[in-house]
Amino acid sequence: SQTIHQWPATLVQPVGSPLSLECTVEGTSNPNLYWYRQAAGRGLQLLFYSVGIGQISSEVPQNLSASRPQDRQFILSSKKLLLSDSGFYLCAWGRTRGGGLTVEQYFGPGTRLTVT
Amino acid sequence: EDQVTQSPEALRLQEGESSSLNCSYTVSGLRGLFWYRQDPGKGPEFLFTLYSAGEEKEKERLKATLTKKESFLHITAPKPEDSATYLCAVRDNFNKFYFGSGTKLNVKP
Repeated sequence: SQTIHQWPATLVQPVGSPLSLECTVEGTSNPNLYWYRQAAGRGLQLLFYSVGIGQISSEVPQNLSASRPQDRQFILSSKKLLLSDSGFYLCAWGRTRGGGLTVEQYFGPGTRLTVT
Repeated sequence: EDQVTQSPEALRLQEGESSSLNCSYTVSGLRGLFWYRQDPGKGPEFLFTLYSAGEEKEKERLKATLTKKESFLHITAPKPEDSATYLCAVRDNFNKFYFGSGTKLNVKP
């Protein structure tokens, strides 16, 4: 079976500090991978998605970046955090079927980031 | 601009009182509508994917339906454990997902 891991679960960081959040998937190969941010009481905002190693699409211009160094590893980074970066960060993997489109999407447990 | 709107924002039901949640969308090149359940502090749990108008899918007390402009999540005889936020999302031709803000369901015993 497939599992998705995210760490850390919670993080408190000062403004201007760097960030690195990691997501790994087990039990599948060549998944589509996604990073989302969820503000309190709101829906999910797509930040980045990747269809393969080194292939990253950015959806929201900001001070965040993403990388996919291995097939099942997806990393979200920032060089300098802003207060507005606080939120619940979710990684997801997409099961694909013919043509590479995601037909099912499974989320990790999330990372709660507070920037102080 | 592509948009997904869910209503109502919150719904309170008595145990056993059936109801429906709505998800309307304006997305060019729709390639799937997805429903999720999210418990507080956790990642969303995938429920269903619907692809074409008229399609229906069921899981326990939940049934999702799709028309050309909206989807409904019908909850039949809900139980307290069905309390959660239900999210819908649409995927376009480029594998991008657009989420609604969710409906927070509270089922009272």
